[in-house]
Amino acid sequence: GEDVEQSLFLSVREGDSSVINCTYTDSSSTYLYWYKQEPGAGLQLLTYIFSNMDMKQDQRLTVLLNKKDKHLSLRIADTQTGDSAIYFCALGGAEGTYKYIFGTGTRLKVLA
Amino acid sequence: DGGITQSPKYLFRKEGQNVTLSCEQNLNHDAMYWYRQDPGQGLRLIYYSQIVNDFQKGDIAEGYSVSREKKESFPLTVTSAQKNPTAFYLCASSNDIQGTQYFGPGTRLLVL
Repeated sequence: GEDVEQSLFLSVREGDSSVINCTYTDSSSTYLYWYKQEPGAGLQLLTYIFSNMDMKQDQRLTVLLNKKDKHLSLRIADTQTGDSAIYFCALGGAEGTYKYIFGTGTRLKVLA
Repeated sequence: DGGITQSPKYLFRKEGQNVTLSCEQNLNHDAMYWYRQDPGQGLRLIYYSQIVNDFQKGDIAEGYSVSREKKESFPLTVTSAQKNPTAFYLCASSNDIQGTQYFGPGTRLLVL
């Protein structure tokens, strides 16, 4: 089955850029998503990219998709303390189904 | 305000007891989902419903039941057959089964 991997932790200083990575095994997904989860809260949709795109920029967020290497990344420019959270990548329509397959999440800690 | 609500925020279950988690949406979405989140893991799909009066098992349906009598509502019952129910439960909805999923704030279930 589909496997989606993320590193568990990332620590950056306030004002620096953060890059959160996601690697996957199945390339059949139609959309690839990034969600943010703050402590004790639900998942907030940040952005998504269609599978035929290489890059998408949305204010401080840049999503890069390398289909050849099956690698998805989320770059947050000018990282703020309010960006501290867990970030999940999710593959929509994986394995030719409706299903979302979630990564295990990356905990981003922003140091003041 | 359109959105997804879940109640209660915290729920305590005694041994042998069934408990029901509420999920309501006013987004006019056809599809609704229940996920379970355990620490350090991604989300796992319990049940989903594409349309009123229809629902399907996800990856970890054992010990859970659902109903979909109204478009807006998709309650989840955690039965006594679920031996390890302590987790964070997230409800989501989407326009249709292929669409982007939006999440509620979650319910944390604890066993007394």
